[in-house]
Amino acid sequence: QVHLVQSGAEVKKPGASVKVSCKASGYTFTDKYIHWVRQAPGQGLEWVGRINPSGGVPIYPQSFRGRVTVTTDTSIAIAYLEIYSLTLGDTALYFCASGPPTASSFFDSWGQGTLVTVSS
Amino acid sequence: DLIQPPSVSVSPGQTARIPCSGDVLPKQHTYWYQQKPGQAPLLVIYKDRERPSEIPERFSGSKSGTTALMTISGVQAEDEADYYCQSADSSGTYILFGGGTNLTVL
Repeated sequence: QVHLVQSGAEVKKPGASVKVSCKASGYTFTDKYIHWVRQAPGQGLEWVGRINPSGGVPIYPQSFRGRVTVTTDTSIAIAYLEIYSLTLGDTALYFCASGPPTASSFFDSWGQGTLVTVSS
Repeated sequence: DLIQPPSVSVSPGQTARIPCSGDVLPKQHTYWYQQKPGQAPLLVIYKDRERPSEIPERFSGSKSGTTALMTISGVQAEDEADYYCQSADSSGTYILFGGGTNLTVL
């Protein structure tokens, strides 16, 4: 049974950075992608990027490229999302999710979400 | 882009149909997620028409051309939620989401 547990809520000022973690258990960490998805208040789902813990470069959509970094520590089965130069528009619930390590991946298990609030 | 209607309303026991349209859909699988307030999304349909074992049989999926469809037969009050379709770009590299459909059970 895949279980993803995320770090707690964060409050940051504009221009700061934030790093959110996602602890995986219940499966072999290198057998699945870890994706990050965000949801702004009252809005829909937006894909932030993904990483293959077994190797390879992370993939980010154009809208986030250069402003986020996704990494993993396979020794402790944790994935991280770091967001730089935060703006008020980055206020959102950030989810990690696991998915098959294939093209056209999807999300078969989700973390509980981490609320990132950007406020001056 | 994946396009969904913002809202669908049905009475209990009726059939709810939620479409998702996009030019990439003939080439890529469609996935569907249910999200209730304050909860993480839950996968309800994968690879166009497959259902995870824990999802009730009243949930089904289909696809024809550029339109995928999620159907809930015999809607129950507990099915009231937001539903999102998801696919990928033509290369399979980049994930795409529909804008979401709010299902109201009258």
